[in-house]
Amino acid sequence: TQLLEQSPQFLSIQEGENLTVYCNSSSVFSSLQWYRQEPGEGPVLLVTVVTGGEVKKLKRLTFQFGDARKDSSLHITAAQPGDTGLYLCAGTAPDSWGKLQFGAGTQVVVTP
Amino acid sequence: NAGVTQTPKFRILKIGQSMTLQCTQDMNHNYMYWYRQDPGMGLKLIYYSVGAGITDKGEVPNGYNVSRSTTEDFPLRLELAAPSQTSVYFCASSRGTGPSREQYFGPGTRLTVT
Repeated sequence: TQLLEQSPQFLSIQEGENLTVYCNSSSVFSSLQWYRQEPGEGPVLLVTVVTGGEVKKLKRLTFQFGDARKDSSLHITAAQPGDTGLYLCAGTAPDSWGKLQFGAGTQVVVTP
Repeated sequence: NAGVTQTPKFRILKIGQSMTLQCTQDMNHNYMYWYRQDPGMGLKLIYYSVGAGITDKGEVPNGYNVSRSTTEDFPLRLELAAPSQTSVYFCASSRGTGPSREQYFGPGTRLTVT
């Protein structure tokens, strides 16, 4: 099992502030996905990154995959209350046919 | 399309009882998965299936069984429920192979074993 460590575990910020969530491992992943989960619901995919060094932007969210494909970050610019949720990173290990290994998640709370 | 549906939403079991968690998807996905989510622990893969009639163990299969007789349905069976099985259970499905395929999750079943 390849472990994915997310930090911080919990983040509480004011509306308009920026935040960054990290996802780190000592192992290489073929791809890495970020999901957001709201209370009482299942996770929903935000983005998939596949290439080392890749940067993807989704409106105010910026995702980066490390050059060595062992880590990733999610940056939110000018956070809004609607960004509140549990952010999960999930990696696909090489030769795992695509099974996902999830991190423990970062709970983000954005207050007005 | 309803996507992935799960029943029941909530259930309380006594120690030693059995139950089946139902999961159905209407997206004609070949791949289906069962996860459990404990507080602060992320999602752990219990079982998965790559198609009808084919299942395999994930990371935490002990105490559970699955079957996949159709493409749409992937029920999870708990035999002899134990307090350690108190958790939120999610079923998911995905279209096919490749490192970037998206998993679609159901709304979850919250199970308490007392």
